[in-house]
Amino acid sequence: EVQLVESGGVVVQPGGSLRLSCAASGFTFDDYAMHWVRQAPGKGLEWVSLISWDGGSTYYADSVKGRFTISRDNSKNSLYLQMNSLRAEDTALYYCAKDNFIAVAGTRWFDPWGQGTLVTVSS
Amino acid sequence: SYVLTQPPSVSVAPGKTARITCGGNNIGSKSVHWYQQKPGQAPVLVIYYDSDRPSGIPERFSGSNSGNTATLTISRVEAGDEADYYCQVWDSSSDHPEVFGGGTKLTVL
Repeated sequence: EVQLVESGGVVVQPGGSLRLSCAASGFTFDDYAMHWVRQAPGKGLEWVSLISWDGGSTYYADSVKGRFTISRDNSKNSLYLQMNSLRAEDTALYYCAKDNFIAVAGTRWFDPWGQGTLVTVSS
Repeated sequence: SYVLTQPPSVSVAPGKTARITCGGNNIGSKSVHWYQQKPGQAPVLVIYYDSDRPSGIPERFSGSNSGNTATLTISRVEAGDEADYYCQVWDSSSDHPEVFGGGTKLTVL
């Protein structure tokens, strides 16, 4: 069974930094790209970042570009999100999700998702 | 950037059919995916690639996509289907490839 377990979410002050982790199991981790997706309290889903299977390519939403860094350690089956210069609007539940991709259609989707880890940015 | 528009809410009686729409400019030329999110839980994929159903998802869930509207259809609605539903596209040719709809709250009366 595929499992994704996020950790690292805490309360942090504006301008602070945080690193989230996602432990993966039940599938060949280094065969797949991975994503971070977030959800602010009471709001919808917002894609945050994508990393390729080997970590060689990374992509970010405009809202986090230059402040967040996605990375992975395939030897540890782990995904990370380094979050710097945090703002109140970064307050959200952060999910990691496994990538699914159909190259001919140029489409991707997220399945499955972890249970999420809550980041609160507040003074 | 590309925008997906969903109705904020849809209500349906048990045993009836619910249709949740996702509007976008020429969305029929893109692949649409749908997620179900129950309160306090992570999203779950219910339809991918317009109309394919992951294993474990009941046949009552189906999808279609044409023109400017994609539709998630839930037949014989049950109380347990009450949830938020999100559509999603990924357009690799765009500078902003990932888009989620705003979500639709399905209420079972």
